[in-house]
Amino acid sequence: GQNIDQPTEMTATEGAIVQINCTYQTSGFNGLFWYQQHAGEAPTFLSYNVLDGLEEKGRFSSFLSRSKGYSYLLLKELQMKDSASYLCAVNDGDYKLSFGAGTTVTVRA
Amino acid sequence: IAGITQAPTSQILAAGRRMTLRCTQDMRHNAMYWYRQDLGLGLRLIHYSNTAGTTGKGEVPDGYSVSRANTDDFPLTLASAVPSQTSVYFCASSSDTNTGELFFGEGSRLTVL
Repeated sequence: GQNIDQPTEMTATEGAIVQINCTYQTSGFNGLFWYQQHAGEAPTFLSYNVLDGLEEKGRFSSFLSRSKGYSYLLLKELQMKDSASYLCAVNDGDYKLSFGAGTTVTVRA
Repeated sequence: IAGITQAPTSQILAAGRRMTLRCTQDMRHNAMYWYRQDLGLGLRLIHYSNTAGTTGKGEVPDGYSVSRANTDDFPLTLASAVPSQTSVYFCASSSDTNTGELFFGEGSRLTVL
């Protein structure tokens, strides 16, 4: 089976930076996704990494190390609207995504 | 543009009853998926379909069935609902089977009593 681990909860202050780590052990690998999910809503796409390195998109960046089975999502200049769950998901090479349990980020004023 | 439409949004169901969750997409995506989301467990794949006419089992398929008669529709059926099937169900689709990026519906909250 697939094993994708990420912290359950994180709390940070408005304007700060938070890094959400994700480690994975999967039967195959064809890319890693980060999704954002606000309470009561559907997940929405944030980022996709298939090669090692950092992908930057505005206030959000995502990093991948395939050799270490490791990724992180970096949220900069936190805003109250960033309070949400962040889901790490791996494409196992068979066109299906396996998800971690999600990290709930709470942004405090 | 509707994207993915799920129905019903919410349903309370007696154990033992049959229930079908509907999912329709207007993006002409080939691949469609059903996930359930439970607190602490994240999204788990129930069934999927890579193209019309084909389906496959995901991580937690027991107690569920699907069909894919055409590109747009992918209903999920619980033949005889049990309380452990209380969950939020998300339908998703993907146009790019190379990356696997998913587009999600708004979810169906099902409570089995």
